[in-house]
Amino acid sequence: DTAVSQTPKYLVTQMGNDKSIKCEQNLGHDTMYWYKQDSKKFLKIMFSYNNKELIINETVPNRFSPKSPDKAHLNLHINSLELGDSAVYFCASGTTDTQYFGPGTRLTVL
Amino acid sequence: AQKITQTQPGMFVQEKEAVTLDCTYDTSDPSYGLFWYKQPSSGEMIFLIYQGSYDQQNATEGRYSLNFQKARKSANLVISASQLGDSAMYFCAMRNTPSTAGNKLTFGGGTRVLVKP
Repeated sequence: DTAVSQTPKYLVTQMGNDKSIKCEQNLGHDTMYWYKQDSKKFLKIMFSYNNKELIINETVPNRFSPKSPDKAHLNLHINSLELGDSAVYFCASGTTDTQYFGPGTRLTVL
Repeated sequence: AQKITQTQPGMFVQEKEAVTLDCTYDTSDPSYGLFWYKQPSSGEMIFLIYQGSYDQQNATEGRYSLNFQKARKSANLVISASQLGDSAMYFCAMRNTPSTAGNKLTFGGGTRVLVKP
């Protein structure tokens, strides 16, 4: 019984392509997040949604567009991929005292 | 701005011994929370323990305990009786007052722990 799931786990693509990462949680949380972990393992918030509404956008390029069709899903679409987008992307969901992460999606842009 | 500092980039610990991972934070919010996560080499982020700024007692979860010293703005993680499976990267994170920043987490740079048999 997976709590936060993401697909795909690995994504290898060429520069300029468009790709999507899907995320689903079955914990009943109202709030979901996208984080990016760079090659030095540093983790940074990208977006936060509460009950399908965007509440945080941390100066992420507008090539990144999150979409939340319902409060259990938060997908990330990336247009015109660049080399610098290569990273691990984590979806998470939580409350004020818990935050559970998905398994991560390793994106490699060639 | 919120800031989390983990000053130990890496450390070795002998199996069965205890280890303390340092974490200091900086915030002007009166209400905040502190989290610790484990990231093994497989890459997933595993939630370990949470401490709220108004909690009177230090948090404990099994072999994990959080040494919370509010006046010093530190939230060190103590792992007792280390096991080989504890070898991983450990991240300290903070969330601020939900009304100002949602519940987003700000992370420290991490500490890599290697448990020696």
